[in-house]
Amino acid sequence: AQRVTQPEKLLSVFKGAPVELKCNYSYSGSPELFWYVQYSRQRLQLLLRHISRESIKGFTADLNKGETSFHLKKPFAQEEDSAMYYCALSAYNTDKLIFGTGTRLQVFP
Amino acid sequence: NAGVMQNPRHLVRRRGQEARLRCSPMKGHSHVYWYRQLPEEGLKFMVYLQKENIIDESGMPKERFSAEFPKEGPSILRIQQVVRGDSAAYFCASSPDRELFFGSGTQLSVL
Repeated sequence: AQRVTQPEKLLSVFKGAPVELKCNYSYSGSPELFWYVQYSRQRLQLLLRHISRESIKGFTADLNKGETSFHLKKPFAQEEDSAMYYCALSAYNTDKLIFGTGTRLQVFP
Repeated sequence: NAGVMQNPRHLVRRRGQEARLRCSPMKGHSHVYWYRQLPEEGLKFMVYLQKENIIDESGMPKERFSAEFPKEGPSILRIQQVVRGDSAAYFCASSPDRELFFGSGTQLSVL
């Protein structure tokens, strides 16, 4: 069964500290992985996808097939990074996204 | 392009009533997805539709829930005889490919 696990409900850091939001997935094939973000009072939006291999707002995520992980990282957190972050998986050749339960990131000044 | 539009933003129903949630996808998008978010839970896939077709309804409860995406007009998620457990945020998303564009959601409260 396809499943996405985000073990942390809440992650609190101080501004300037490194951030790692964990995401593990369960899927036997070749998945496509995404990170979505929801800032306060805004709609959910795509942050990055693993096939793009790009850095968005300083965030990066590497797909580790051996560990079935897709952790989201940023070396220096900013206050404006405070938001809900959702990891999502799309199985090969489907358009359906399976979401994790989300991690709330709080960045304190 | 106004983005994915959902209405109403908030819907209050008494037990046993019907709830209708509307979603207009972004211009040019012909794929619509409905997700439900219960308190303390993530987004749960419900149904995936294209114009006049249900592609995947594996996440839809077997009873009382239905969805449509007619040739003209918005996609409708319909919940008949609502119960308290249906209280949740319902999100619609549309897509030209794998990237989903989400609406602001409809918060359904069942009294």
